[in-house]
Amino acid sequence: AQSVTQPDIHITVSEGASLELRCNYSYGATPYLFWYVQSPGQGLQLLLKYFSGDTLVQGIKGFEAEFKRSQSSFNLRKPSVHWSDAAEYFCAVGATGGNKLVFGAGTILRVKS
Amino acid sequence: DVKVTQSSRYLVKRTGEKVFLECVQDMDHENMFWYRQDPGLGLRLIYFSYDVKMKEKGDIPEGYSVSREKKERFSLILESASTNQTSMYLCASSYPGGAADTQYFGPGTRLTVL
Repeated sequence: AQSVTQPDIHITVSEGASLELRCNYSYGATPYLFWYVQSPGQGLQLLLKYFSGDTLVQGIKGFEAEFKRSQSSFNLRKPSVHWSDAAEYFCAVGATGGNKLVFGAGTILRVKS
Repeated sequence: DVKVTQSSRYLVKRTGEKVFLECVQDMDHENMFWYRQDPGLGLRLIYFSYDVKMKEKGDIPEGYSVSREKKERFSLILESASTNQTSMYLCASSYPGGAADTQYFGPGTRLTVL
């Protein structure tokens, strides 16, 4: 069965600092991988997704993620964090049989000024 | 832009009540989903539907049912609400075509069962 692990429940970074959120997945075939962001009181918004090709994926709001098959990872990065990036971030993998996603538990990002 | 709307942002119900959560999407998506979101557990799939009147159980269907009579509308039903169903409920929709499809989410309904 597919699974996603986000090892960090909470992360705090200073505004302007770089950010890396970790995501590890378990899946037998080529995975479809997603990062979503949820701002307080909002639904989830897609940041980026990977399903083939270049392993470095660019997304919205200045985010990028790198797929590393050897490490079963899909970490999310941003070079300089803004206070508006404070939110909860979810990594997800496309599950066998199509259509369904399996989500990680989420990482809450706090940004300090 | 795709828009997924949910009938209520906040809902308070009593134990034993029948509860309906409504979701409507405006992009003619075949697939629709209901998730439950709890702190530390992420999103867990309750049910999904890939066509009108078609449904499949997700990972945690117990205590829930769904209805999809029209393509744009997907309802989640709690037949007899219990306090352990207090949670955030998120609806999503997507085009068909496999796991690479982006799911678009509604704003969520925060349900409290007293």
